[in-house]
Amino acid sequence: SQQGEEDPQALSIQEGENATMNCSYKTSINNLQWYRQNSGRGLVHLILIRSNEREKHSGRLRVTLDTSKKSSSLLITASRAADTASYFCATARVYNFNKFYFGSGTKLNVKP
Amino acid sequence: GAGVSQSPSNKVTEKGKDVELRCDPISGHTALYWYRQSLGQGLEFLIYFQGNSAPDKSGLPSDRFSAERTGGSVSTLTIQRTQQEDSAVYLCASSLALTGGRSQPQHFGDGTRLSIL
Repeated sequence: SQQGEEDPQALSIQEGENATMNCSYKTSINNLQWYRQNSGRGLVHLILIRSNEREKHSGRLRVTLDTSKKSSSLLITASRAADTASYFCATARVYNFNKFYFGSGTKLNVKP
Repeated sequence: GAGVSQSPSNKVTEKGKDVELRCDPISGHTALYWYRQSLGQGLEFLIYFQGNSAPDKSGLPSDRFSAERTGGSVSTLTIQRTQQEDSAVYLCASSLALTGGRSQPQHFGDGTRLSIL
């Protein structure tokens, strides 16, 4: 069964707005990763955050991790039409960090 | 090549036939994964190879599914006696060696879209 679950399932915003997606998981993790998938393509790695980290930034992306709540959020600031894609979180468990559990994704639509 | 390559990109076959899906990982990547993605869904882990270690086959849904990795590089996922529920996109990913308790980002191919008639 899948470990992470993203929320919301779908999100539609205007270009320039911020987009926030959330991921919840059930068991203790070694790390959590976020990926983007454009329609008909494979996944592209965005950012990895380890269990002892609380926040990471990469360009317009900001990821937070709250291990006490078993949740993570991905914030995309000043969104662009090119950000339209599905976003997935993937968790690696503490004692099996080489196996990843993906959520069902958030489908983001950024309207120009 | 620069990225993970999968072939074929599309495969249509009749129920009951066997299919082979191929994955060429990024050169130097010792870890290789296979996932299955049903329409509009997340990724379901199938199998994982790491160097010369025994593969983790815990995600294979039935004994009709098997995979091998020859010479630590190319991998083939085989589905025997295909069923309609096998229809999905099969994604392959590779990564650098997993050491020191640290996961590595995965690099994905564009997948094989498998349709069972």
